[in-house]
Amino acid sequence: DIQMTQSPASLSASLGETVTIECRASEDIYNGLAWYQQKPGKSPQLLIYNANSLHTGVPSRFSGSGSGTQYSLKINSLQSEDVASYFCQQYYNYPLTFGSGTKLEIK
Amino acid sequence: QVTLKESGPGILQPSQTLSLTCTFSGFSLSTYGMGVGWIRQPSGKGLEWLANIWWDDDKYYNPSLKNRLTISKDTSNNQAFLKITNVDTADTATYYCARMRATTPYYYVMDAWGQGASVTVSS
Repeated sequence: DIQMTQSPASLSASLGETVTIECRASEDIYNGLAWYQQKPGKSPQLLIYNANSLHTGVPSRFSGSGSGTQYSLKINSLQSEDVASYFCQQYYNYPLTFGSGTKLEIK
Repeated sequence: QVTLKESGPGILQPSQTLSLTCTFSGFSLSTYGMGVGWIRQPSGKGLEWLANIWWDDDKYYNPSLKNRLTISKDTSNNQAFLKITNVDTADTATYYCARMRATTPYYYVMDAWGQGASVTVSS
């Protein structure tokens, strides 16, 4: 199985700041990576797919980058509605696996 | 507009079989490249992929639960199903279904999720 190591586990930042969340795969996943946002009490929503493609309707302040085993999600100009947990997920190979999540709060 | 909705028993006892239904609209599971996946999340914890089924009836299971899982579909009624046999308290979670859509000939992403169905296993 491909292990996805996500960091940090939690993050506190001020409105307007830029934050970055990292995800490391245990082997090369060839950009087969998605990022999801899960607001409290809600289901996950797709943000980024294929490592750097923005899903329809997602604000452009969200961006994804990376290659090989290292990937990151960047949120520019943090807004109050960005308070959520964020998960990475690889779909390069079965079984599909998720990172453990990052809980983002506003300072 | 793509929508999915999960339904299940809510509460069941250890050793019973959990039956979940995903009723969807806005796409067809007979369309090339479409699939439905099942994912679960214990309260306050992370996400675990369980299984998915494709338009051509191909199926994939998480090996950690493979012997207990059965996924199926009813294309005519826009439904997908998941059964988990011999449940115990560790299966207590919110269960989600999600549409899987091809982004390249090789890669498929979960681009729409249901609201989730809460399942509690308790004696």
